[in-house]
Amino acid sequence: DIQMTQSPSSLSASVGDRVTITCRASQSIDIYLNWYLQKPGKAPKLLIYAAYNLQSGVPSRISGSGSGTDFTLTISSLQPEDFATYYCQQSYRTPFTFGPGTKVEIK
Amino acid sequence: EVQLVESGGGLVQPGRSLRLSCTTSGFTFGDYAVNWFRQAPGKGLEWVGFIRSKANGGTTENAASLKGRFIISRDDSKTIAYLQINSLKTDDTAIYYCARDPDIPAAGIHYFDFWGQGTLVTVSS
Repeated sequence: DIQMTQSPSSLSASVGDRVTITCRASQSIDIYLNWYLQKPGKAPKLLIYAAYNLQSGVPSRISGSGSGTDFTLTISSLQPEDFATYYCQQSYRTPFTFGPGTKVEIK
Repeated sequence: EVQLVESGGGLVQPGRSLRLSCTTSGFTFGDYAVNWFRQAPGKGLEWVGFIRSKANGGTTENAASLKGRFIISRDDSKTIAYLQINSLKTDDTAIYYCARDPDIPAAGIHYFDFWGQGTLVTVSS
């Protein structure tokens, strides 16, 4: 199975901050990397698919980059609705696996 | 409006079976794969398996770690996908989600753009 890691596991930030979350795959996954946001008690929400494609309706302050084994999710100016847990997920090969999550908290 | 609604969860004894449903509306169900996931209390997301659209063969794949106890099926006429869980264990306690997947074979792309709200399965004696 392809193992996914994320860093940091959590971070504290203020509204307006630039936030970067890193995801690493245990082997090359080309661009088959998706990002999700999850708030407590809610289902995950797709943000980015295939490494850098912004899902419809997701604000442009959110962006994704990377290929191979290293990927990044960037929020250019953190907004109140962005405080949540973020997961990366590879779809290169089944079983589709998720990273352990990065919790973004209010400073 | 695209909607997916899971149902069928509840309290069940170890060793029993359960069938979850993912009832959908607002899109052409037959054109999409459906994936199932679960999330144990306070834990991360785990992929359970998926079923492709009939156009892509209608085949299923499951996480090998679940040892064949999970069976995914679909009824395109009812726009419902199912997850049958056999020989339930306490470790199966989780919220179970279904999600839509465009499953684009030519590009090898899978992503999960619409999710249900989840249904809680609690396995306990």
